[in-house]
Amino acid sequence: EDQVTQSPEALRLQEGESSSLNCSYTVSGLRGLFWYRQDPGKGPEFLFTLYSAGEEKEKERLKATLTKKESFLHITAPKPEDSATYLCAVQGATSYDKVIFGPGTSLSVIP
Amino acid sequence: DVKVTQSSRYLVKRTGEKVFLECVQDMDHENMFWYRQDPGLGLRLIYFSYDVKMKEKGDIPEGYSVSREKKERFSLILESASTNQTSMYLCASILKSGVSEQYFGPGTRLTVT
Repeated sequence: EDQVTQSPEALRLQEGESSSLNCSYTVSGLRGLFWYRQDPGKGPEFLFTLYSAGEEKEKERLKATLTKKESFLHITAPKPEDSATYLCAVQGATSYDKVIFGPGTSLSVIP
Repeated sequence: DVKVTQSSRYLVKRTGEKVFLECVQDMDHENMFWYRQDPGLGLRLIYFSYDVKMKEKGDIPEGYSVSREKKERFSLILESASTNQTSMYLCASILKSGVSEQYFGPGTRLTVT
């Protein structure tokens, strides 16, 4: 059964304090791993898609990496506006268009 | 930009009522999805649709039905609302089948009393 876990559940950082969020997954034949950002009271907003182990993608202060069992979202020198819940999701070979989401990591960046 | 809209941001209904949640996307996307989001459980797929009048069950379809009469519109129906259906409901769409990011609506916070 496809499964996604994320850690930590919540993370509190000082502005400028870099850190990483973890997404561990079990899936039959990974077709894609997604990262989304969700602000309170809003729908998730797409950040990245990773397709194979070793792939990396960057956007401003965010960098996503992928191995065969997990993905990391690295946040470099975060700012208060980076505060949000970050969701990881996987799409497997047998699930067609279905995507399995993790529970998310709630990030707070304190000025 | 793709825009996905949902009919209500907040909704309060009584147990046993029939509830309609509507979702509209304006970019001619083929596939649409309904999720519910609960603390600690993440997003869980209720139903999805590949085309007009087509529907597929997701992981938690019990107590729900859907309707897709037009390509741009996907409705979620709670036949007889119960308190355990109190949740945030999110609609999403993708251009077509494949590995593709989903575009989400703003969500409807449903409370069943």
